[in-house]
Amino acid sequence: DIQMTQSPSSLSASVGDRVTITCRASQGISTYLAWFQQMPGKAPKSLIYGASSLQSGVPSKFSGSGSGTDFTLTISGLQAEDFAIYYCQQYHSYPYTFGQGTKLEIK
Amino acid sequence: EVQLVESGGALVKPGGSLTLSCAASGFNFNSFSMNWVRQAPGKGLEWVSSISSSSEYIYYSDSVRGRFTISRDSAKNSLFLQMNSLRAEDTAVYYCARDNSPFSPSDFWGQGTLVTVSS
Repeated sequence: DIQMTQSPSSLSASVGDRVTITCRASQGISTYLAWFQQMPGKAPKSLIYGASSLQSGVPSKFSGSGSGTDFTLTISGLQAEDFAIYYCQQYHSYPYTFGQGTKLEIK
Repeated sequence: EVQLVESGGALVKPGGSLTLSCAASGFNFNSFSMNWVRQAPGKGLEWVSSISSSSEYIYYSDSVRGRFTISRDSAKNSLFLQMNSLRAEDTAVYYCARDNSPFSPSDFWGQGTLVTVSS
């Protein structure tokens, strides 16, 4: 199975900041990488697929990059509604696997 | 409007069975692969199972293979998860999610249904 490791596990930032979350795959997955946002008590929301393609309706403040084993999610101009948990997921091969999540907290 | 509505979650004893349903609307259900993803209380997301649009391809995580069965009914626009031999570690919120394409997984999620396995 492909293991996905996110870093950091938690992150404190202020409104207006720019933050980057990293996701590393245990083997190459090309660009078969998705990012999800989950607010407390809510279902996950898809942000990015194909490592860098924005889902419809997702603001351009979110951006993704990477290929192979190393990926990043960058969020610019943090607003209150961006403080959530973010997950990466590989869909290169089954079983699909998620990272452990990164909790983005307000400083 | 795309909608996925899960139901069937309940409190069940270890070793028991349960069937979850996911009612789809607002899109051509027959054209999309579907998934079940679960989240144990306070934990991260865990992919459980996927089924292709025609039901030709079905996949399971190692943790549920042999105990859970995914299926779909095109006439009812519904996705199902039959869960047998339930264990305490199966306790979680279960989400159904639609794959927009092979390159855009889980683009839309339901609100989830809670399964609690406890004596």
